[in-house]
Amino acid sequence: AQSVTQLDSHVSVSEGTPVLLRCNYSSSYSPSLFWYVQHPNKGLQLLLKYTSAATLVKGINGFEAEFKKSETSFHLTKPSAHMSDAAEYFCVVSGGTGRRALTFGSGTRLQVQP
Amino acid sequence: DTGVSQDPRHKITKRGQNVTFRCDPISEHNRLYWYRQTLGQGPEFLTYFQNEAQLEKSRLLSDRFSAERPKGSFSTLEIQRTEQGDSAMYLCASSRGGGVPPRDSPLHFGNGTRLTVT
Repeated sequence: AQSVTQLDSHVSVSEGTPVLLRCNYSSSYSPSLFWYVQHPNKGLQLLLKYTSAATLVKGINGFEAEFKKSETSFHLTKPSAHMSDAAEYFCVVSGGTGRRALTFGSGTRLQVQP
Repeated sequence: DTGVSQDPRHKITKRGQNVTFRCDPISEHNRLYWYRQTLGQGPEFLTYFQNEAQLEKSRLLSDRFSAERPKGSFSTLEIQRTEQGDSAMYLCASSRGGGVPPRDSPLHFGNGTRLTVT
């Protein structure tokens, strides 16, 4: 079975400072990993995905994530936070062969202070 | 691409009543998923369709829950004899599927149906 652990339930940063949202995964095979963002009263939006190509993945809005197999991590980063980045972020791992479901982490709420 | 559409946006019902939600996926997507999200948690998988076939169901999907996708297009999720614990946001998602890479095509989510059981 696969799972993800988001190490921080809340992260607060100042506008213009770097963002780091941490995620560790557990999987018995080579996983596909995703980060989704959820703004209040809006649907989940895909930020980026890792599917065994390049280990450093670039996403939308300046976000990127690095897949580190040795550390079973897939942390999300952004060099400079913007007020509009305030939202809930979910780290997600895909199911194995024949199982198409995604397993979501519990989420990290990002607050951006002016 | 008009996105995944869910109806209704909000539903308030009394305990014991039946409710039905509808999801219209992106038209060329053959895979459709239902998830449930409670406050402060990530979405939990409920069930998955490829075309009209329901290929997987979570243990969360008790016998009070049933989902259909009769023509491989829209889907309905029905909850019978609702309980207060059913109060949650019900999310629908769709994706393009097949055996061609990239595997695990990203899911496109609707805005959800918020169910409140009183």
